Amino acid sequence: AQSVTQPDIHITVSEGASLELRCNYSYGATPYLFWYVQSPGQGLQLLLKYFSGDTLVQGIKGFEAEFKRSQSSFNLRKPSVHWSDAAEYFCAVGPLNNAGNMLTFGGGTRLMVKP
Amino acid sequence: AAGVIQSPRHLIKEKRETATLKCYPIPRHDTVYWYQQGPGQDPQFLISFYEKMQSDKGSIPDRFSAQQFSDYHSELNMSSLELGDSALYFCASSAFQGARYGYTFGSGTRLTVV
Repeated sequence: AQSVTQPDIHITVSEGASLELRCNYSYGATPYLFWYVQSPGQGLQLLLKYFSGDTLVQGIKGFEAEFKRSQSSFNLRKPSVHWSDAAEYFCAVGPLNNAGNMLTFGGGTRLMVKP
Repeated sequence: AAGVIQSPRHLIKEKRETATLKCYPIPRHDTVYWYQQGPGQDPQFLISFYEKMQSDKGSIPDRFSAQQFSDYHSELNMSSLELGDSALYFCASSAFQGARYGYTFGSGTRLTVV
């Protein structure tokens, strides 16, 4: 069964600093990979997605993620964090064959931004 | 742009009562997914529908049922509510190739069982 692991439960960075949120997946083939952001009490907003092609994916709000097959990772990065980026970030995996289209989410990483 | 609409936004019920949550997908989206997110938890898949038929089933309790109607909106019916059912319930919609293009989530219904 596929699974997603986000090793860091909480991360605190200073405003303006760079950010990297880790995501590792377990799957028999290359899955579809997603990053979502959730502000407190709000819904899930898609930041970016990967399913094939260029392994460096650009998303909204200045985020990017890099798919590394050898490491089964899909880490999210941002060169300069803004205070408004403070939120919960979820990595998610979708199945390859569309047989069962649900997403499987990682446990989430809560990002706090220091002024 | 139209988004996924969920109603109500907030719901307070007592134990053993029933609750009905509604989800209106993005126009022309034919697939609806329901997720449950407990406090401090990641979203857990409950059930999904494609073209009004159940397509996948996750960790949905037997006390819950759901359906998708001819206009593609979906309702999640929850009976014999328990305190542990208190959570944020998300609905997402997609075209059938949802795994390829991602899903659009609604803002959720926060259910509190007292």
